[in-house]
Amino acid sequence: GAVVSQHPSWVICKSGTSVKIECRSLDFQATTMFWYRQFPKQSLMLMATSNEGSKATYEQGVEKDKFLINHASLTLSTLTVTSAHPEDSSFYICSARADYNSPLHFGNGTRLTVT
Amino acid sequence: DQQVKQNSPSLSVQEGRISILNCDYTNSMFDYFLWYKKYPAEGPTFLISISSIKDKNEDGRFTVFLNKSAKHLSLHIVPSQPGDSAVYFCAASTSGTYKYIFGTGTRLKVLA
Repeated sequence: GAVVSQHPSWVICKSGTSVKIECRSLDFQATTMFWYRQFPKQSLMLMATSNEGSKATYEQGVEKDKFLINHASLTLSTLTVTSAHPEDSSFYICSARADYNSPLHFGNGTRLTVT
Repeated sequence: DQQVKQNSPSLSVQEGRISILNCDYTNSMFDYFLWYKKYPAEGPTFLISISSIKDKNEDGRFTVFLNKSAKHLSLHIVPSQPGDSAVYFCAASTSGTYKYIFGTGTRLKVLA
């Protein structure tokens, strides 16, 4: 089945630094990838839609200058958390699907802790 | 406004019995529904989906039922196994869009 790989699986960084998270579709091409954030005991909240070759589409309330998304190729999207603060600590998950007839497949997530 | 709701945050079921997880939605434009299973510190894993043109879809121990008039779907797992213990999310989507709206999840615990 479709595989989405996300790296790193966990990262600890100091406040004020930036962190990059990578999301790759391993066996299919994804023109669109999605970035979610999950707070403890809460649902998956869509942050943004990453479009290959164009700008990402951000959900309401998500700061595009803080969460930079780059979809450089049909198999790679990156999320950079810039100038991270402790409140950015969360579980970030990417997802992708090959086409409209396929379900979304998720990466294993990245646990970000900002100290 | 929570368009997809899972009103039971948790459920405990004895091994071998049926687990029934429920999900309600408010947006009548949704026409594609999915269930995902999630273990702690992992991404969700796709389980089963259903299109609005159907009212039932079965895959092994998992069956999803859709009641469009009630805007309700349910996931049945039978027989339940301890390995099924996880958080289950339902999700809804509209044709022609990639966006999924997730429910808040139900934590299933299958007791051995």
